[in-house]
Amino acid sequence: AQSVAQPEDQVNVAEGNPLTVKCTYSVSGNPYLFWYVQYPNRGLQFLLKYITGDNLVKGSYGFEAEFNKSQTSFHLKKPSALVSDSALYFCAVREGTNAGKSTFGDGTTLTVKP
Amino acid sequence: EAGVAQSPRYKIIEKRQSVAFWCNPISGHATLYWYQQILGQGPKLLIQFQNNGVVDDSQLPKDRFSAERLKGVDSTLKIQPAKLEDSAVYLCASSLGKGTRSYNSPLHFGNGTRLTVT
Repeated sequence: AQSVAQPEDQVNVAEGNPLTVKCTYSVSGNPYLFWYVQYPNRGLQFLLKYITGDNLVKGSYGFEAEFNKSQTSFHLKKPSALVSDSALYFCAVREGTNAGKSTFGDGTTLTVKP
Repeated sequence: EAGVAQSPRYKIIEKRQSVAFWCNPISGHATLYWYQQILGQGPKLLIQFQNNGVVDDSQLPKDRFSAERLKGVDSTLKIQPAKLEDSAVYLCASSLGKGTRSYNSPLHFGNGTRLTVT
């Protein structure tokens, strides 16, 4: 069975500083990894994905994520945080089949302080 | 493109009552998902449809929950009778889900229905 772990419930950073939100996964076969963001009273929005290729993938709003196969990690990063980045972030892993099920972590709340 | 539409946004019911949620996915999306999100947890898959067929309903409490997707477009999720522990946000999502490598497609979520069972 596949699983996702987000070891930090909360991440706090100052505006302008780099941020990292951690994610580790477990899946049989090739991992297909996604990050989603959830703003208050809104549904989840897709940020970026890793399917294959370069280990560093770029996504929306200046976010990027680094895939590390040996550490089974897919950490979300941004070089310079904005107050508007404050939200709930979810990592997800998906089965590599046409009807693949997505499994989500429990989320990390990112707070960026001015 | 229009996003995933869900209604109602909020619902408050008493335990043992019934409730239904509606979802209209993005046009052309073959795969539709219902997720349950309990406060402080990540979304948990309840049921996944491919067109109008069920792909995965292994975590759906079938004694009280039911879902259908008639004509392969919009979908309804029902709870009858509701329990206190059903209080959660119910999220509908859709993805392209067609052809090979459809696992590349991200999920598009609606804004969810917040259910409170008292």
